[in-house]
Amino acid sequence: KNEVEQSPQNLTAQEGEFITINCSYSVGISALHWLQQHPGGGIVSLFMLSSGKKKHGRLIATINIQEKHSSLHITASHPRDSAVYICAVRLRETSGSRLTFGEGTQLTVNP
Amino acid sequence: DAGITQSPRHKVTETGTPVTLRCHQTENHRYMYWYRQDPGHGLRLIHYSYGVKDTDKGEVSDGYSVSRSKTEDFLLTLESATSSQTSVYFCATSKRDTVQETQYFGPGTRLLVL
Repeated sequence: KNEVEQSPQNLTAQEGEFITINCSYSVGISALHWLQQHPGGGIVSLFMLSSGKKKHGRLIATINIQEKHSSLHITASHPRDSAVYICAVRLRETSGSRLTFGEGTQLTVNP
Repeated sequence: DAGITQSPRHKVTETGTPVTLRCHQTENHRYMYWYRQDPGHGLRLIHYSYGVKDTDKGEVSDGYSVSRSKTEDFLLTLESATSSQTSVYFCATSKRDTVQETQYFGPGTRLLVL
């Protein structure tokens, strides 16, 4: 069992829909990251969370440390949001900034 | 962008041949990482470097070696490529080795071992 589980694996939505991607982890963590992988392969960091909620534009990320769960929400989705969204955690037991990654959620937003 | 480039971007090679992938960064970041990305797996750490000539193994290091002779360059070598090493390889960097640090990723290298 992976230490980081994402759901769903694949998600198709219509433009304008509210989207939620979930990430659960099984061990203690110090921080959680959400990343976006574009269709061309490039990976960019969206958020780093250690508690609470963060918002950037139409993207909102939340984390519940007690429940070992994080969600990434996209409001008013757009076809350009189509990408793979990756959850990654910094395990409390490891040193430094090394990350453990989920398998990713493939999001397709249709016009 | 953290100014990270990878070369080559695509490579096809034969089983048993040596292959070297290069990661170059212009941000003077101390920490550099090599990952592989395969279907059914998340990104997995191969090796990482915490300074010039300072490297350590990640979770999938067998069959790979690395070198870092300059801050800006981190080389990944497959001494004798195998078909199981067909993958997309990503380099990443971070400025510091702290909990809150963001990693910046290169564009990736697609490697096919025939």
